[in-house]
Amino acid sequence: ETGVTQSPTHLIKTRGQQVTLRCSSQSGHNTVSWYQQALGQGPQFIFQYYREEENGRGNFPPRFSGLQFPNYSSELNVNALELDDSALYLCASSLGRNNSPLHFGNGTRLTVT
Amino acid sequence: ELKVEQNPLFLSMQEGKNYTIYCNYSTTSDRLYWYRQDPGKSLESLFVLLSNGAVKQEGRLMASLDTKARLSTLHITAAVHDLSATYFCAVDRQNTNAGKSTFGDGTTLTVKP
Repeated sequence: ETGVTQSPTHLIKTRGQQVTLRCSSQSGHNTVSWYQQALGQGPQFIFQYYREEENGRGNFPPRFSGLQFPNYSSELNVNALELDDSALYLCASSLGRNNSPLHFGNGTRLTVT
Repeated sequence: ELKVEQNPLFLSMQEGKNYTIYCNYSTTSDRLYWYRQDPGKSLESLFVLLSNGAVKQEGRLMASLDTKARLSTLHITAAVHDLSATYFCAVDRQNTNAGKSTFGDGTTLTVKP
């Protein structure tokens, strides 16, 4: 069984640039959630995708956007990067059932300079 | 707004001792999760608690849920060094799909010989 994989593992960008992060969900998982984890804090919910549609969003501005593809893989796009966007971005997949925990990938460490 | 508070935030224990981590949350919830995160790594699911009075145990860790008090506990029995990690509780708002969790800021546990 293949777990959740994310790419790239590390990324350095300049303020104002755009970035795309990628996630392949665990086999059979149709729901993907994205989280931002700043250093020393708990993850914060960005949004969730279910069957290629956004299915809920946290308190993040519209410059954070996403996509889910027919194979349930997903992308997170961030436009007009700010210094505060520096964080670990975690993708998590699940079966979408209420008793299903999230299965997290290893994350993408984004540094904005 | 759903808020999740953990305490303590930092915990240093001697091997062989017992201790409890507390997780309080502010609004009615369907589901509560406990995750473990090792330094530089992703999050690993430990427990999913779905109902009042739920208790789950795995090895030296036992988690419980009191939905009336909006409180979950993670009890550590006879701590060993391998349990050193950061532990997060996460809560889903009632009547929402799973995976849109609000996380606490984590409890960093260090077990010393």
